[in-house]
Amino acid sequence: AQSVAQPEDQVNVAEGNPLTVKCTYSVSGNPYLFWYVQYPNRGLQFLLKYITGDNLVKGSYGFEAEFNKSQTSFHLKKPSALVSDSALYFCAVRAPQNNAGNMLTFGGGTRLMVKP
Amino acid sequence: KAGVTQTPRYLIKTRGQQVTLSCSPISGHRSVSWYQQTPGQGLQFLFEYFSETQRNKGNFPGRFSGRQFSNSRSEMNVSTLELGDSALYLCASSLLDRAGGEQFFGPGTRLTVL
Repeated sequence: AQSVAQPEDQVNVAEGNPLTVKCTYSVSGNPYLFWYVQYPNRGLQFLLKYITGDNLVKGSYGFEAEFNKSQTSFHLKKPSALVSDSALYFCAVRAPQNNAGNMLTFGGGTRLMVKP
Repeated sequence: KAGVTQTPRYLIKTRGQQVTLSCSPISGHRSVSWYQQTPGQGLQFLFEYFSETQRNKGNFPGRFSGRQFSNSRSEMNVSTLELGDSALYLCASSLLDRAGGEQFFGPGTRLTVL
C-alpha cells in the first residue's frame, strides 16, 4: 500500500523569501506524484505533477517540485513567496499499476502561512 | 470548459437519515472519484467510477455507496448517517490517462450530521 508523509503541519515564511513544503512517499514501483492546493471553503486545485522525465517539475503560480527517487521525496518549492500563497497544500501519490485507476493517496496537508 | 460541479454545496442531516450527493464531471471526463475530507482523518479515497463501473473502493463501510450514469454524472449515497460522517465530500474527474493525468476537483459538499 502507498503512503505519503508531510512532516510539517505548518510552514511560516516571510513574503519574498523562498518556501519549501516537504513531502515523502512510499509506493511500489515508479510513482505518479502530485501537489494540490486548497483555499478556504474550496476544493483542491492542481499545481503540478511528476510522471517521468526531468526531476524538476514546474507548475502553476510559479511553484516547482523536485523529485528525488533515492530519498523518496517530492518537495514543493517557490523562489519568492506571496501572501496570496497562504493556503493548505497536499501532496499525493498514485500507484503506477494499471489497476490503480485514479485513486490518490494524500498526505495530511501542510498549512503555508506567508506573512507580509 | 465548465469545471466539476457538486450539488448541494451544504447539507444538514440528522443521525439515521440518508443522503445523496451529486457530481457532474468536466465534459469528456469519464472517471469520477469521491473523497472524504475531515480534520481528523484528512483526505480519504471513497471510490472511483469509470464507464458506470466501480473501479476502486476505499476502506469505508457499506453504508457508503455510489453509482455513475451513462453521461458520467455520479452520485454517492450514505445511509444511516452517523455523527462521524460530517465532512467535506469532494468529487474529482479525470480522463482515464494511464500516463498519469491529474484529477480536477469540485468545490465539495459540506455535510453536517446532527
